[in-house]
Amino acid sequence: NAGVTQTPKFQVLKTGQSMTLQCAQDMNHEYMSWYRQDPGMGLRLIHYSVGAGITDQGEVPNGYNVSRSTTEDFPLRLLSAAPSQTSVYFCASSSDTTGWATEAFFGQGTRLTVV
Amino acid sequence: GQNIDQPTEMTATEGAIVQINCTYQTSGFNGLFWYQQHAGEAPTFLSYNVLDGLEEKGRFSSFLSRSKGYSYLLLKELQMKDSASYLCAVRMNYGGSQGNLIFGKGTKLSVKP
Repeated sequence: NAGVTQTPKFQVLKTGQSMTLQCAQDMNHEYMSWYRQDPGMGLRLIHYSVGAGITDQGEVPNGYNVSRSTTEDFPLRLLSAAPSQTSVYFCASSSDTTGWATEAFFGQGTRLTVV
Repeated sequence: GQNIDQPTEMTATEGAIVQINCTYQTSGFNGLFWYQQHAGEAPTFLSYNVLDGLEEKGRFSSFLSRSKGYSYLLLKELQMKDSASYLCAVRMNYGGSQGNLIFGKGTKLSVKP
């Protein structure tokens, strides 16, 4: 099925380890974004991209890197994981080239625990 | 900065009507979204308002007043399956984009028999 695919679904990391959360979409969407969701905090924007080669910071970018070498993929990198990065991460894409649209899709999320 | 406020929790009875309010103060406004999120799942789209007034879609309606920075989501004929979190989000000018979506903290609705 077409949509946004996130991998892995679950991950446990040790403090200081690095990892990449993968996000891929097959709808040719230009706009993609990463959110984290924590209890009592809602969804917070980490990074976003309005097209290949273009990325920018969101509300909570510290500790995370992104790149957008292709339209389809928007990986999120944790260079040195910290317990404060324990969260559920959602990737999303939108058909509107300027940003979010009603035809926006979320991935199913990655549950990350840093111990 | 931006501020999007909604109640943390609400409880309602099956078959009743519930209104979830959302107030916002943001830098730029390009529309307001409501999402539903069941526990352990991704958010799903419910409604979108960009002009003042009421948008109705089945049992769900959403209202917007841009001058007051206010929106509400109205759920009628509540069903047990409506127990979920409801997320208010504003599409705004953020960073270099006019179209980023910034979310409130969500309202957890519990529907009781």
